[in-house]
Amino acid sequence: GAGVSQSPSNKVTEKGKDVELRCDPISGHTALYWYRQSLGQGLEFLIYFQGNSAPDKSGLPSDRFSAERTGGSVSTLTIQRTQQEDSAVYLCASSWKENYGYTFGSGTRLTVV
Amino acid sequence: AQTVTQSQPEMSVQEAETVTLSCTYDTSENNYYLFWYKQPPSRQMILVIRQEAYKQQNATENRFSVNFQKAAKSFSLKISDSQLGDTAMYFCAFEYNSGYALNFGKGTSLLVTP
Repeated sequence: GAGVSQSPSNKVTEKGKDVELRCDPISGHTALYWYRQSLGQGLEFLIYFQGNSAPDKSGLPSDRFSAERTGGSVSTLTIQRTQQEDSAVYLCASSWKENYGYTFGSGTRLTVV
Repeated sequence: AQTVTQSQPEMSVQEAETVTLSCTYDTSENNYYLFWYKQPPSRQMILVIRQEAYKQQNATENRFSVNFQKAAKSFSLKISDSQLGDTAMYFCAFEYNSGYALNFGKGTSLLVTP
């Protein structure tokens, strides 16, 4: 596609429910990144994919968070048993080559009530 | 781990004026990359400018330029002839040579006023 696409753009869920956030990167971009942006905060790194493998999962805040990427393309970030502190904007980015900067999606705003 | 510090949470500038946003970072590495990203209210992060640490020449993109001081670990962004559309959050970011994700500062909120 022309850009990085994220869906849904907004999600309201009840505490304790599971949610799936989707990221469709730019075609041909081998690297994919997930970040979390809480209100008034910077971007918190969650996980990085190179192809389908995740060499760096160090940012996942707890075992309730998981992510996968299939076919070197679409990625899904899953949050199980959501908590109110999970409320944030989840940003996905992809890049075609290391150190050349990322192309970001518009994010998914997750609100846990 | 490296840290990126943006000491100005908020700034304001009048249209057509020049403004400089500060960024400092801490690393023991010699090869790395620095970036400035802009995040307007639409939420989408946009790459503004990129600097390679091994290049002494400061990067420039139209009205945007950087002052890269490697010894001081400083990477400021200068916006000339500010426009209303420049109103946004600006994030400074650091990246190692390879294999690691970008590390962002907490951002500076810039307001351009008429």
